[in-house]
Amino acid sequence: KQEVTQIPAALSVPEGENLVLNCSFTDSAIYNLQWFRQDPGKGLTSLLLIQSSQREQTSGRLNASLDKSSGRSTLYIAASQPGDSATYLCAVVYSGAGSYQLTFGKGTKLSVIP
Amino acid sequence: ETGVTQSPTHLIKTRGQQVTLRCSSQSGHNTVSWYQQALGQGPQFIFQYYREEENGRGNFPPRFSGLQFPNYSSELNVNALELDDSALYLCASSLVATSNPNNEQFFGPGTRLTVL
Repeated sequence: KQEVTQIPAALSVPEGENLVLNCSFTDSAIYNLQWFRQDPGKGLTSLLLIQSSQREQTSGRLNASLDKSSGRSTLYIAASQPGDSATYLCAVVYSGAGSYQLTFGKGTKLSVIP
Repeated sequence: ETGVTQSPTHLIKTRGQQVTLRCSSQSGHNTVSWYQQALGQGPQFIFQYYREEENGRGNFPPRFSGLQFPNYSSELNVNALELDDSALYLCASSLVATSNPNNEQFFGPGTRLTVL
């Protein structure tokens, strides 16, 4: 059974800092990994998707890396802004699931202090 | 291009009642997945529909059921509601095809269900 863990559970940083969010998964036989952002009480916004054959993806100030063999991914946010405050979730699609379902971590709640 | 939409936004029911939640998938997508997100937790997979057939189910009892229609929209039905069913219900759509190895999933805004 796939398990996804996100550390830390919560993070508070001053505006302008660079930061890293961590995600680990137990079954390395994944198809892809997605990072999402969720604002309070809202749906999920897809930030980045990394295919199993890729090592990283970039979008603006966001960079996500994937080390499939060690079961780890990181989301790097450069020059953080108060508008980045949200919960960040990582999720994997893995071959053992039998369908293209996402298995999620519990998320990291990020607060960027002005 | 229209994104994923869900209705209703909020819903309050009492224990034992039945509820139907609706989802319209993004244009061009053929797969819909439903997730339940309890407060402070990550979303949990309920089931997935691909071309109107159930294509995978998570650890949820049979009182959670669904449908996918020819236009790829979907319904989630929950019978005999329990207090623990109170959660945010999320729908995601994607295009499953050999021409689309990404299979990126796009989520709707969710339906907040409260069971009293």
